[in-house]
Amino acid sequence: GESVGLHLPTLSVQEGDNSIINCAYSNSASDYFIWYKQESGKGPQFIIDIRSNMDKRQGQRVTVLLNKTVKHLSLQIAATQPGDSAVYFCAETWHNFNKFYFGSGTKLNVKP
Amino acid sequence: GAVVSQHPSWVICKSGTSVKIECRSLDFQATTMFWYRQFPKQSLMLMATSNEGSKATYEQGVEKDKFLINHASLTLSTLTVTSAHPEDSSFYICSARAGGGAPNTGELFFGEGSRLTVL
Repeated sequence: GESVGLHLPTLSVQEGDNSIINCAYSNSASDYFIWYKQESGKGPQFIIDIRSNMDKRQGQRVTVLLNKTVKHLSLQIAATQPGDSAVYFCAETWHNFNKFYFGSGTKLNVKP
Repeated sequence: GAVVSQHPSWVICKSGTSVKIECRSLDFQATTMFWYRQFPKQSLMLMATSNEGSKATYEQGVEKDKFLINHASLTLSTLTVTSAHPEDSSFYICSARAGGGAPNTGELFFGEGSRLTVL
């Protein structure tokens, strides 16, 4: 459902440090997850995805971890850069991957 | 990657008027498109699923007569906000899927969004 009236939590990190962004998803039947990055005034951009038969997936500088037991997803960004500053959302889907539902989001602020 | 274009990117209208937002898949055919709504500092809320050649399916709580969706071709879906009111002011984002079946990496593509302000 919609997170009405909530403000996005903010994670502030120093340039070059590693960042960990967390997401709790809602549906235990979800079997496919995507992390998106959204810059101000723009649409979401795909970062990395993971299926429920995996617990870890690595991309370039990013790693997604999935813990189905506690319905938790995390995004790790290595050597965070100022260009990584944005809002990050996880999205979940189930049943033939038709509809995607977004989590509440985290704002990442990278300090130079 | 594939490109999804929205138009207009920004629109201001008077209360009571209707506004149409277009979502186009530029280099692929999209049998399914999705419309999201996003309030400031909040997440994306799925409004409806737009299916080419058939009626849209709306999420619970979304008024279908208020938010008219038409998906007349494989590259275009439109969202019309009818009799707009200030509370309809929001960022509307569409996304599109290419073809059918299980998605591969990046198969769901997002537009840049359309910001609606109703005075």
